[in-house]
Amino acid sequence: AQSVTQPDARVTVSEGASLQLRCKYSYFGTPYLFWYVQYPRQGLQLLLKYYPGDPVVQGVNGFEAEFSKSNSSFHLRKASVHWSDWAVYFCAVSMTGGYKVVFGSGTRLLVSP
Amino acid sequence: EAAVTQSPRNKVTVTGGNVTLSCRQTNSHNYMYWYRQDTGHGLRLIHYSYGAGNLQIGDVPDGYKATRTTQEDFFLLLELASPSQTSLYFCASSDAAGSSQNTLYFGAGTRLSVL
Repeated sequence: AQSVTQPDARVTVSEGASLQLRCKYSYFGTPYLFWYVQYPRQGLQLLLKYYPGDPVVQGVNGFEAEFSKSNSSFHLRKASVHWSDWAVYFCAVSMTGGYKVVFGSGTRLLVSP
Repeated sequence: EAAVTQSPRNKVTVTGGNVTLSCRQTNSHNYMYWYRQDTGHGLRLIHYSYGAGNLQIGDVPDGYKATRTTQEDFFLLLELASPSQTSLYFCASSDAAGSSQNTLYFGAGTRLSVL
């Protein structure tokens, strides 16, 4: 069965600094991978998604992620963090051709001035 | 505008009570999902469905029933609510194929408290 691990429950970054949020997945085969963001008191919104193809995918608001099959990873990156990025970020995986979507436990991003 | 609408937004009930959470989507999507969100666990899948009359068991189904009455409507039922079911519940929909396959569109959530 597919699963997702986000090893960092909380990450603190200074405004303007770069960011990497880690995601490791477990799935036998080629997965679909997603990053979602949850702003305070809101539902989840899609940041970006990976379907088999180019391993680096671009998302909204300057976010990007890189798929690595050898490392079973799909880390999220941003070159310069803004205070409005303060949110909880979820990594998710689904099977190619399936429709069950499994989420990680989330990483809370705190942005310091 | 396509959307996923959940009702009620907040609900308080007592232990042993009967609760129904409602979800309607206007995305014309085949798939619908119920998740619960708890601190430290992220989102956990309760039940999901790929069409009217269909129901699939998720990862944390105990204590929950669900019913998909139409393509648009998906209900989550707690027939004997327990305090452990106090949580934030999200409904979502997704498309079966194409460029948005398996991309979830979420409702705003229902906060349930079981006293």
